[in-house]
Amino acid sequence: NAGVTQTPKFRVLKTGQSMTLLCAQDMNHEYMYWYRQDPGMGLRLIHYSVGEGTTAKGEVPDGYNVSRLKKQNFLLGLESAAPSQTSVYFCASSYGLADNSYEQYFGPGTRLTVT
Amino acid sequence: RKEVEQDPGPFNVPEGATVAFNCTYSNSASQSFFWYRQDCRKEPKLLMSVYSSGNEDGRFTAQLNRASQYISLLIRDSKLSDSATYLCVVNMDTGRRALTFGSGTRLQVQP
Repeated sequence: NAGVTQTPKFRVLKTGQSMTLLCAQDMNHEYMYWYRQDPGMGLRLIHYSVGEGTTAKGEVPDGYNVSRLKKQNFLLGLESAAPSQTSVYFCASSYGLADNSYEQYFGPGTRLTVT
Repeated sequence: RKEVEQDPGPFNVPEGATVAFNCTYSNSASQSFFWYRQDCRKEPKLLMSVYSSGNEDGRFTAQLNRASQYISLLIRDSKLSDSATYLCVVNMDTGRRALTFGSGTRLQVQP
């Protein structure tokens, strides 16, 4: 049981390049999330998904797109990377509405630098 | 004003000390409250949920004051392994089950 995994762990991009971050969970969770973490700002929600085939915007969605074609995977795309997107990206997952627990399980993070 | 505010610290305490962190939240309709722990360059992990009646887990005690909209975490008999950043987390939107994170309070326990 690997929990939540993220690939890649590190990446350096040039401005304007594109990339996709992959998140996978093996806990059969309904809900999945993408956050970014910047110094002094806490984690901010980018996009989230409440089930396979669904996505929704979070607090800071601009410049990112997501897809959830399979329940276990949640992809985060950067179409044209900007230096302001330099950050640590965390994926998380949690159970659905039937469960009262709000515990979110996080992946190990992806450190992205855009030059 | 931030939705969830914490003193960033760092709090430098000797082993065996008792230390307390507070956190305030802006949305009076918030439903659920948590403390997460984040080690340096690692992912956040749930430390404990915070219930209206207060709750204790070993050396850790969490309290909620809805009237004043603050949450506290008390750590007794601090260990070196308690050194980490403690994130105050609030659920303000039950529809999407999204959490709002404070920026964290850093604790450094010294020998």
